[in-house]
Amino acid sequence: EVKLVESGGGLVQPGRSLKLSCAASGFSFNDYWMGWVRQAPGKGLEWIGEINQDSSTINYTPSLKDKFTISRDNAQNTLYLQMSKLGSEDTAIYYCAREGWYLSAYVMDAWGQGASVTVSS
Amino acid sequence: DIVLTQSPALAVSLEQRATISCKTSQNVDNYGISYMHWYQQKPGQQPKLLIYEGSNLASGIPARFSGSGSGTDFTLTIDPVEADDIATYYCQQSKDYPYTFGAGTKLELK
Repeated sequence: EVKLVESGGGLVQPGRSLKLSCAASGFSFNDYWMGWVRQAPGKGLEWIGEINQDSSTINYTPSLKDKFTISRDNAQNTLYLQMSKLGSEDTAIYYCAREGWYLSAYVMDAWGQGASVTVSS
Repeated sequence: DIVLTQSPALAVSLEQRATISCKTSQNVDNYGISYMHWYQQKPGQQPKLLIYEGSNLASGIPARFSGSGSGTDFTLTIDPVEADDIATYYCQQSKDYPYTFGAGTKLELK
């Protein structure tokens, strides 16, 4: 069974940093692109970025590129999201997702249950 | 960025057909492939992949779900609607970076 479990969320003060982890199991982690998506309270989904199998290619949504860093440790089957200079607008549930290759595109075919991040003083 | 536009909500009766639309600000087709995908999200749960590349049913998804369209106009159809289908549905494009989602269509019961 494919399983993605996020951790590291919580309450953080504005301007501080936080690092989320996503532990993967049930599939060969180092064969897949992985990504992060967030969802602000009562809002829609926002793509944050993705990382390829050997970390040689990382793509971000431009508005978050200077604040967020995606990385992975294939030996630990773990995906990371380092977030810095956090503001109230970063309050959201953060999902990690596996990107499977389907016919001609990478598609987010498995999702974690999400990690809640609240930015508040 | 490619903007995806969805209607905020759709009211439907059980056992009827639901048609959810997604219009994109730019063509999301390339070499005959539509880089358009659909997800279902129930309250308090993570999104789930329903349809990929415009019209392909993801593994384990019931055949009452179908996707169609090309270019800038896409549709997710649920026929017939069951009670378990009450959720929010998102379209997403992967033609260009950054990947973008529609704002979601909340399927409600009439």
